[in-house]
Amino acid sequence: DAKTTQPPSMDCAEGRAANLPCNHSTISGNEYVYWYRQIHSQGPQYIIHGLKNNETNEMASLIITEDRKSSTLILPHATLRDTAVYYCIAGRGNTGKLIFGQGTTLQVKP
Amino acid sequence: EAGVAQSPRYKIIEKRQSVAFWCNPISGHATLYWYQQILGQGPKLLIQFQNNGVVDDSQLPKDRFSAERLKGVDSTLKIQPAKLEDSAVYLCASSPLGGPWGEQYFGPGTRLTVT
Repeated sequence: DAKTTQPPSMDCAEGRAANLPCNHSTISGNEYVYWYRQIHSQGPQYIIHGLKNNETNEMASLIITEDRKSSTLILPHATLRDTAVYYCIAGRGNTGKLIFGQGTTLQVKP
Repeated sequence: EAGVAQSPRYKIIEKRQSVAFWCNPISGHATLYWYQQILGQGPKLLIQFQNNGVVDDSQLPKDRFSAERLKGVDSTLKIQPAKLEDSAVYLCASSPLGGPWGEQYFGPGTRLTVT
């Protein structure tokens, strides 16, 4: 599975868009990008995933660059409840194993 | 739909004692995972079951950790004997067959403190 690199922390003002970057420069053609978040004292929560195309759901949007070497998770209107650690994971899924890195701690401030 | 249930939520034991954690996955989910999350780190997969068979236990310290899923539903994870470095949150997750491989549903976890 491809290694991912994320900034350790980010701040965002409440009501503004939060843009969380992830670098996965060694990703191969059949590896997906998954995003999870973990709110304090809770288990991780699935957010979104994608392969090549941009994806959007009720929680977030995922923008994957054309060369697939990086992606951005967008929370369009961040709230205080979005304060969490966000994990970007890249993998092929042949084993179903999720390999979590350190993630990005997003602090949404009023 | 009920989520993944885990118990207990917290456990404090002394080193060399044994401990067991229980997980009830989402109804109908064939695949069950146990993860270990040490403070400040991301979760690490310990073992993965599909129905009652083990798919991956390559990172399970088998000299002290064991897990079972006898009827393909509930699962227990046991540590015997515990070491100080086993202090962590133990997370259970489940996923349905045929769903996106990485879309897993996590329980709240059991926080273990070994003193």
